[in-house]
Amino acid sequence: GDSVTQMEGPVTLSEEAFLTINCTYTATGYPSLFWYVQYPGEGLQLLLKATKADDKGSNKGFEATYRKETTSFHLEKGSVQVSDSAVYFCALSLGSQGNLIFGKGTKLSVKP
Amino acid sequence: NAGVTQTPKFRVLKTGQSMTLLCAQDMNHEYMYWYRQDPGMGLRLIHYSVGEGTTAKGEVPDGYNVSRLKKQNFLLGLESAAPSQTSVYFCASSPPPSYGYTFGSGTRLTVV
Repeated sequence: GDSVTQMEGPVTLSEEAFLTINCTYTATGYPSLFWYVQYPGEGLQLLLKATKADDKGSNKGFEATYRKETTSFHLEKGSVQVSDSAVYFCALSLGSQGNLIFGKGTKLSVKP
Repeated sequence: NAGVTQTPKFRVLKTGQSMTLLCAQDMNHEYMYWYRQDPGMGLRLIHYSVGEGTTAKGEVPDGYNVSRLKKQNFLLGLESAAPSQTSVYFCASSPPPSYGYTFGSGTRLTVV
């Protein structure tokens, strides 16, 4: 079935380090892809999305490129801050009415 | 603009008690969802609705019921609470899912 696989966490980085969180998917069609962020004690917030191959989503310094050939949507940020500490979820949606399918989340901790 | 509002934010129940969680959205979204979040399990879909008066089962519907009598509200009921239902519950809403979801801030439920 359709699924999302994220790298296992937790990920611990020093401030200003480069971040990559890997996300790969399995889908029967051509999904829309999303990254959500969950700060401690809060609900999930949409961080960025891409709807077709080679699209790049970006927001708040984070980027992810929809790679159909590798079925991937890796999240990157050039220089993380302590305030980026959160859990990050990759997700996909198939078709205009397909419910989102979430990965299990990757916890990021950024140390000053 | 309040977005998605969940009430209550915290609740402790005794085994066998019943309760209703309320989700309200003010964005005129057709789709609404209830998820539970447990450590190591990610987000699991309980029930969802594609419009007023409709409901459908998700991945883990047993022990829960839902109703969508008004477009802006989606209620999640527990008829006889069990300790296995201790979790954080999130409501979300969306236009068609491919646009992405807006989440509420969650309800932390403990069943003792």
